[in-house]
Amino acid sequence: DTEVTQTPKHLVMGMTNKKSLKCEQHMGHRAMYWYKQKAKKPPELMFVYSYEKLSINESVPSRFSPECPNSSLLNLHLHALQPEDSALYLCASSQALVRTGGLVGSYEQYFGPGTRLTVT
Amino acid sequence: LAKTTQPISMDSYEGQEVNITCSHNNIATNDYITWYQQFPSQGPRFIIQGYKTKVTNEVASLFIPADRKSSTLSLPRVSLSDTAVYYCLGGRRDSNYQLIWGAGTKLIIKP
Repeated sequence: DTEVTQTPKHLVMGMTNKKSLKCEQHMGHRAMYWYKQKAKKPPELMFVYSYEKLSINESVPSRFSPECPNSSLLNLHLHALQPEDSALYLCASSQALVRTGGLVGSYEQYFGPGTRLTVT
Repeated sequence: LAKTTQPISMDSYEGQEVNITCSHNNIATNDYITWYQQFPSQGPRFIIQGYKTKVTNEVASLFIPADRKSSTLSLPRVSLSDTAVYYCLGGRRDSNYQLIWGAGTKLIIKP
């Protein structure tokens, strides 16, 4: 099974709502990622977990709160978002975080289909 | 300033070979070069990864010159279903821990 699943596929939320995005993989990968992608732009890295510990936070506003309950699951909790946060949110996983001497992104990443988020 | 640069768009025809070149001016010795394909409303999908010279798999080839400051993704005999955005991932951010995504090349295959 080389699939990364994400739920929900679409989400519309108001600026005062609290919601969560969920991501799951069963490939035994030990690194999991959250990306944000705006239209016609490449994915932007938000958070990376390695062995269930937060390894990278790309200075993401605190209204986004990641959680890794176990090695297969990754959540992104959303609270008090702004309309400019509307985007496609992608989850990805990889075998490990980095190759020896390498960088984040040096392992093949498997992406989920994304959650299309609209903040009204 | 570290940059990963690729053409914004390309057109080709079914059955042709397509080559997309990416420049990554701030690549270090241990950095891998990776290409992803993305269809609308889907997550990116890994195509190929290489470190030097040439790598080939069942869908593409990747050519990397000796200085590794550029790479070329080669798609043999493309079909309409190869219409997608192709991202090059290479070079490192000045923060020195993360590879940089190129802006993506929109490839349109015509019949």
